[in-house]
Amino acid sequence: KQEVTQIPAALSVPEGENLVLNCSFTDSAIYNLQWFRQDPGKGLTSLLLIQSSQREQTSGRLNASLDKSSGRSTLYIAASQPGDSATYLCAVREDSGAGSYQLTFGKGTKLSVIP
Amino acid sequence: DADVTQTPRNRITKTGKRIMLECSQTKGHDRMYWYRQDPGLGLRLIYYSFDVKDINKGEISDGYSVSRQAQAKFSLSLESAIPNQTALYFCATSDRATGELFFGEGSRLTVL
Repeated sequence: KQEVTQIPAALSVPEGENLVLNCSFTDSAIYNLQWFRQDPGKGLTSLLLIQSSQREQTSGRLNASLDKSSGRSTLYIAASQPGDSATYLCAVREDSGAGSYQLTFGKGTKLSVIP
Repeated sequence: DADVTQTPRNRITKTGKRIMLECSQTKGHDRMYWYRQDPGLGLRLIYYSFDVKDINKGEISDGYSVSRQAQAKFSLSLESAIPNQTALYFCATSDRATGELFFGEGSRLTVL
């Protein structure tokens, strides 16, 4: 059974710092990996989707990488801002195609960016 | 307007009451899901549907039922609510080609 781990559970950084959030998974046979942002009491907003054939995806100040063989993904946030404060979750879809229902979520990293 | 809309956003009810949470989407996706989120437990799949005639149980379907009224509408029912069903409930859709998942804003349910 796939297990997804996000360490640390919480992270506090000063504004302007570059930071890396980690996501590890136990079964490398994945279809894709998706990073989300969740604000308190709100829904999950999709940030980046990396297909298994890709190594990284970028959107603005965000860059996500994927290393299937080592079972790891990182989300890099450049020049952090207080508005980046949120919980960041990763989710892994098993390798039986886009139609697979089997998504495994990590429990998230709660990021606080201090002004 | 949100692509995935959930109603109600907040609901407080009593033990034994029947509750329905509704979800509608404008993304044109045929795949829809219901998840619940609890502190410390993360997101868990309740039910999923890959088209109007397809309904499947997820990992925690006991005490819940669903109805797929149309491609764009997927509702979750609690026939007789109990306090441990207090949680944040999310509807989601996914793109058939990429598998990308899109969430609604959530429905916070409190069962007293």
